Amino acid sequence: GESVGLHLPTLSVQEGDNSIINCAYSNSASDYFIWYKQESGKGPQFIIDIRSNMDKRQGQRVTVLLNKTVKHLSLQIAATQPGDSAVYFCAENIEYGQGGSEKLVFGKGTKLTVNP
Amino acid sequence: AAGVIQSPRHLIKEKRETATLKCYPIPRHDTVYWYQQGPGQDPQFLISFYEKMQSDKGSIPDRFSAQQFSDYHSELNMSSLELGDSALYFCASSKNNEQFFGPGTRLTVL
Repeated sequence: GESVGLHLPTLSVQEGDNSIINCAYSNSASDYFIWYKQESGKGPQFIIDIRSNMDKRQGQRVTVLLNKTVKHLSLQIAATQPGDSAVYFCAENIEYGQGGSEKLVFGKGTKLTVNP
Repeated sequence: AAGVIQSPRHLIKEKRETATLKCYPIPRHDTVYWYQQGPGQDPQFLISFYEKMQSDKGSIPDRFSAQQFSDYHSELNMSSLELGDSALYFCASSKNNEQFFGPGTRLTVL
């Protein structure tokens, strides 16, 4: 079935440390994954994405790793800052039909707390 | 840059009432998605539209319906509201793969 889940519901780190948020997915046919950041009272905000033909992608202070063998996705945040405190969701983009429509299947979310 | 607009931002209704949520996608985005996010839950896909036609349906109750209009804005109509419908409702729009989310409408059913 379709499901994307997270190993840890909460993560607390010290400011300046690196954070690693993990995600497991079950749909081996998925070829596109996204990490979203959701701050309280706001909509999910795109952070970084990765396609299944890649195993690593880097952005500004963030890196996403994809291990297709074990269907595992991780988000690494370097030098975590208080402004990074939020809930992080991984999502699996699944394409349907011929019109290019997609839907996102979200994981359960990890709440990251950055302590000053 | 223009973002996805949703209205209203907050809505309070009584049980068995109806509600209409509106979404205005980013200009030139041709696809709109609706998601429901319960307290402490991950967003759940409800329904999507591509070029004004319904393209996919997720866990949307029969009491809910939606449509996309000629100007690409979309409305989610919710009838016979139940307490369990209280949630954040997000709209997202996309042109290619990346979905941009709106700020959400917080619906509270009393």
